[in-house]
Amino acid sequence: DTVLTQSPALAVSPGERVTISCKASESVSTRMHWYQQKPGQQPKLLIYKASNLASGVPARFSGSGSGTDFTLTIDPVEADDTATYFCQQSWNGPFTFGSGTKLEIK
Amino acid sequence: EVQLQESGPGLVKPSQSLSLTCSVTGYSITSNYWGWIRKFPGNKMEWMGYISYSGSTSYNPSLKSRISITRDTSKNQFFLQLNSVTTEDTATYYCGSGDSNWFAYWGQGTLVTVSS
Repeated sequence: DTVLTQSPALAVSPGERVTISCKASESVSTRMHWYQQKPGQQPKLLIYKASNLASGVPARFSGSGSGTDFTLTIDPVEADDTATYFCQQSWNGPFTFGSGTKLEIK
Repeated sequence: EVQLQESGPGLVKPSQSLSLTCSVTGYSITSNYWGWIRKFPGNKMEWMGYISYSGSTSYNPSLKSRISITRDTSKNQFFLQLNSVTTEDTATYYCGSGDSNWFAYWGQGTLVTVSS
């Protein structure tokens, strides 16, 4: 299975720019998607196919990358962005998820 | 607006079957893809499988011998059955929908504990 590696945690201040990385163990082309999950809630799709903003998601969120290296950027970060962010690939079967990056807003 | 809601027992005994229902409103399950994802204690998420608009299925090979996803189009529901559960199947189970690649809509999730 394709392993997706994410940093466990990040802490930033409101107004800053934050990048969350996801590294795949093999190429996933641009079939990488990003989700936000707040405590007690279901995941919410932010980005699909590496760089496409999902419906209703603020333009502060953006995604980039291809192959094995992907980035989710939030600029500027707001207090409400406190959450865990997961990447998910759908190029190689079975679909797999990263372990999540917990974002803390100082 | 598409809404999904999981339902089913919160406690299942080891070796028994886990059965969950996902009730969908706002969209027909004869369109799009409808799947199950679970999140284990400790945050690991696993894609379990999906059923397509036509009724075809795709499963995670790690579960293939134990899993079945079916649907009832007349009720706009789809179902998960996972056989021979162990304590390692304890997780929050989500139903989701979207393109065949990603999940644009998710249910609230339901915690299923496997314990005697």
